[in-house]
Amino acid sequence: GAGVSQSPSNKVTEKGKDVELRCDPISGHTALYWYRQSLGQGLEFLIYFQGNSAPDKSGLPSDRFSAERTGGSVSTLTIQRTQQEDSAVYLCASSSSSYEQYFGPGTRLTVT
Amino acid sequence: RKEVEQDPGPFNVPEGATVAFNCTYSNSASQSFFWYRQDCRKEPKLLMSVYSSGNEDGRFTAQLNRASQYISLLIRDSKLSDSATYLCVAFYNQGGKLIFGQGTELSVKP
Repeated sequence: GAGVSQSPSNKVTEKGKDVELRCDPISGHTALYWYRQSLGQGLEFLIYFQGNSAPDKSGLPSDRFSAERTGGSVSTLTIQRTQQEDSAVYLCASSSSSYEQYFGPGTRLTVT
Repeated sequence: RKEVEQDPGPFNVPEGATVAFNCTYSNSASQSFFWYRQDCRKEPKLLMSVYSSGNEDGRFTAQLNRASQYISLLIRDSKLSDSATYLCVAFYNQGGKLIFGQGTELSVKP
């Protein structure tokens, strides 16, 4: 079956612009996660959705970051007024159980 | 201090070698542990879960020591295809999130 998909795969944007990243989880997976991975670094947790609600937003680095999930399926991560330090790979994962998370291929964001 | 800590490596080993990775976690509330594997420029994928009793999957053995808050992964008879970054992961049922270590890079040479 189809895995987690993310779009775009690559995004280059100018500092100060807003970007929107999309995640399509595996059908039927109720949990959805966003992570960020900078070059040579581990994964940094951003936000977690259970259904459409986000019980844990503790990882969002600033109020420029927001995320939503509609219909218990697709999620979008929005970064407003992008900064160069936002450059990273943004990974989305979905899960039906509590622990095995299936990751998408990521969106590589470059802020110039 | 990071919640999950690993030696970043790299570990450079010859084919056929046995290699061990260690990981420590700081939050005793962590309830489950895993090893994920991440190939270069790819997404992480679950390698195996880690149980207190120790568990084995082919050439891979994982161990958990709750008293010491320590997790290990042993790879026997290393293959070239084992070259990747191995991520130690702690799961908290409260909040349902995975906490990833920085990862340990393994390079298996012919």
